[in-house]
Amino acid sequence: DAKTTQPPSMDCAEGRAANLPCNHSTISGNEYVYWYRQIHSQGPQYIIHGLKNNETNEMASLIITEDRKSSTLILPHATLRDTAVYYCIAGRGKLIFGQGTELSVKP
Amino acid sequence: DSGVTQTPKHLITATGQRVTLRCSPRSGDLSVYWYQQSLDQGLQFLIQYYNGEERAKGNILERFSAQQFPDLHSELNLSSLELGDSALYFCASSAGTSGRGDTQYFGPGTRLTVL
Repeated sequence: DAKTTQPPSMDCAEGRAANLPCNHSTISGNEYVYWYRQIHSQGPQYIIHGLKNNETNEMASLIITEDRKSSTLILPHATLRDTAVYYCIAGRGKLIFGQGTELSVKP
Repeated sequence: DSGVTQTPKHLITATGQRVTLRCSPRSGDLSVYWYQQSLDQGLQFLIQYYNGEERAKGNILERFSAQQFPDLHSELNLSSLELGDSALYFCASSAGTSGRGDTQYFGPGTRLTVL
C-alpha cells in the first residue's frame, strides 16, 4: 500500500470550503484513494473514494491529479460538525491509516 | 449509522484474562476487517476475513485470533491480556468485490480497558 502524507492540522472558517491535501506519490495503478474521517473516538466514517477521475458525492468532492500522485478532498461548505481527523488512504483491500489531518472548523 | 454492529460497547477486564469481541457486518457484505486503535499506535489493521476464510493479516499478535462464522458475523478473541491491549477495536465490513473499490464501513467500536 502506498504511503500518504497529510498536514497534521488545518483550520477552516464555518461556511467556507475546506481543502484537504494528500500526497501519495508511490501509489500503484490499481490502488484507490480513500478518504475517511473520525470524530472523537467514533468509528471512521467513509467519505469518498476514487481511482483516476474526480468524484463527487453528497458529502464532498475528490480531486485526483492526472499523475495520481496527490489528491485534494473538498468539503464545499464546512460546518462545525465537520471538525474531525481526516484520513487519506491509498490502497486496495486493507486500509493503512496514517496520522491524518485534524481539521478544526471555527465559527 | 453504518449498518455494522459491534458488541459490547465497553469491556473492562484484568490482565491475563480472555475476552471476545463480536461484529455483525452490513447485510450482504462478505468481508469483515478488524482494526485496533490505541493512543500510541493509531489505527492499525489486524485481520480480514472473506466469506469465512482468512484473507489478509496485519499486525495481529499471536495472543489474538479471529474467525468468521457461516452467518458472516465475526469474533475477535483476545487472550492473556496485557495493559497495552487497552484500545478501541473496530470492525469494518465491505461487499468483498474488487470492482469500483471495495468500500469499508466501520462499526462504532468496542472500548477495551485492561486493568
